[in-house]
Amino acid sequence: KNEVEQSPQNLTAQEGEFITINCSYSVGISALHWLQQHPGGGIVSLFMLSSGKKKHGRLIATINIQEKHSSLHITASHPRDSAVYICAVSPNDYKLSFGAGTTVTVRA
Amino acid sequence: DVKVTQSSRYLVKRTGEKVFLECVQDMDHENMFWYRQDPGLGLRLIYFSYDVKMKEKGDIPEGYSVSREKKERFSLILESASTNQTSMYLCASSTNLAGSTDTQYFGPGTRLTVL
Repeated sequence: KNEVEQSPQNLTAQEGEFITINCSYSVGISALHWLQQHPGGGIVSLFMLSSGKKKHGRLIATINIQEKHSSLHITASHPRDSAVYICAVSPNDYKLSFGAGTTVTVRA
Repeated sequence: DVKVTQSSRYLVKRTGEKVFLECVQDMDHENMFWYRQDPGLGLRLIYFSYDVKMKEKGDIPEGYSVSREKKERFSLILESASTNQTSMYLCASSTNLAGSTDTQYFGPGTRLTVL
C-alpha cells in the first residue's frame, strides 16, 4: 500500500467552482508538499506545510497532523488551473514519498 | 529563481544502448534527485545524491547508475536501455537544511522512449 493516497484520481469542474483534493498519509512526517504539473511541463512546488493552513492567491492548503490528512482547495477555479496536483510527504529525511496525483480539468 | 535544467526534453533510443541523462542546477544545492514518472504510479525515486561523489539508492535503482563529479551536475545512466525504461525522467534539487526538509525544485523532464 502506498504511503500517500490521493483522492479523487480525476476531477472535472466548471469554471468558477470550488475544488477540493484530499491527501492521506500513513507515516510520520516533517512536512507535506503540494505540487502542480501542467501537461508537458515540469513540476512546481505550491506549498510546503507542517501545520495549520497556507494560502496563496486562490489556492488554500490545510493539514491535520493528528488525522494524517491534508486538503488542497482551489477557489473560483479557472481553466488555467487544469493540471495534475501531487501530494508528497517528507518522512523526516531529505526524500519525498509521492501520491499518484489528481488530474484536474476545469471547463470554461 | 532556481533553475534546474535537463539535457533533453525528448529522447528516443534503441534497446541495449547506453543512455546518459544530464541535470544541472544553478543554486548551489547539496541534494539532487532522479525520479521516473509513470501513469498511475506517480513519481518514484531512482537515486539521490547529498554531496559530490556521494549517492544513495532510491526505491527503484535497478538498471540505473548515477554520477556526481561536480556539485551542480547529476547524471543518470542507463547502462543497457530496455523497453521497460520508457518513461518520463525528472531531476530535482534541494538545499541541505539540517533537521528539516526543503522544497525540491524540478527540471522540465526528459521523455525517454526505448524502442
